[in-house]
Amino acid sequence: EVQLVESGGGLVQPGRSLRLSCAASGFTFDDYAMHWVRQAPGKGLEWVSGISWNSGSIGYADSVKGRFTISRDNAKNSLYLQMNSLRAEDTALYYCAKDMLGRGITNWFDPWGQGTLVTVSS
Amino acid sequence: QSALTQPASVSGSPGQSITISCTGTSSDVGGYNYVSWYQQHPGKAPKLMIYEVSNRPSGVSNRFSGSKSGNTASLTISGLQAEDEADYYCSSYTSSVVFGGGTKLTVL
Repeated sequence: EVQLVESGGGLVQPGRSLRLSCAASGFTFDDYAMHWVRQAPGKGLEWVSGISWNSGSIGYADSVKGRFTISRDNAKNSLYLQMNSLRAEDTALYYCAKDMLGRGITNWFDPWGQGTLVTVSS
Repeated sequence: QSALTQPASVSGSPGQSITISCTGTSSDVGGYNYVSWYQQHPGKAPKLMIYEVSNRPSGVSNRFSGSKSGNTASLTISGLQAEDEADYYCSSYTSSVVFGGGTKLTVL
């Protein structure tokens, strides 16, 4: 069974940093691209970033470009999101999601983790 | 990339069929087959229902179907059931991924 478990969320002050992690199991991690998608309280889904199997292709939403960095460690079956210069509008539930297709980035996310909550507030 | 446009809400009675639209541009929905649909129940993670415009992942009911015409994609749910009540999001991918604003489906 594919499992994605996010961690690292919490309460952080504006301007500070936070690093999210996603532990993957149940599939060959380095055969798939991975993504971070967030959902602000009561709002819709927003794609944050995606990374191909070998980190050779990376994409970011304009709203986080230059502040967030996605990375992966295939030896540890883990996905990361380094979030710097956090803003109140970054407050959201952050989901880790596996790309269904394979090694390249698409918008076919299956499955999703349960999410980790990030709250940016003073 | 701008968000895709979906109706805020749709409703239908059990057994009926409903269709949710998702409007983009020729640069996203209209230009590529990277259209997908997600179902999200309250407090739960989203679930992929349709990918590549009209394909269903294994395990998704054949009551769910997808299509596209021009710059508008559609999700149709036939034989509505109470468990279909949820939020539905469309998505497109070109140089980045974009979601629609979401549609709340109410089963009357």
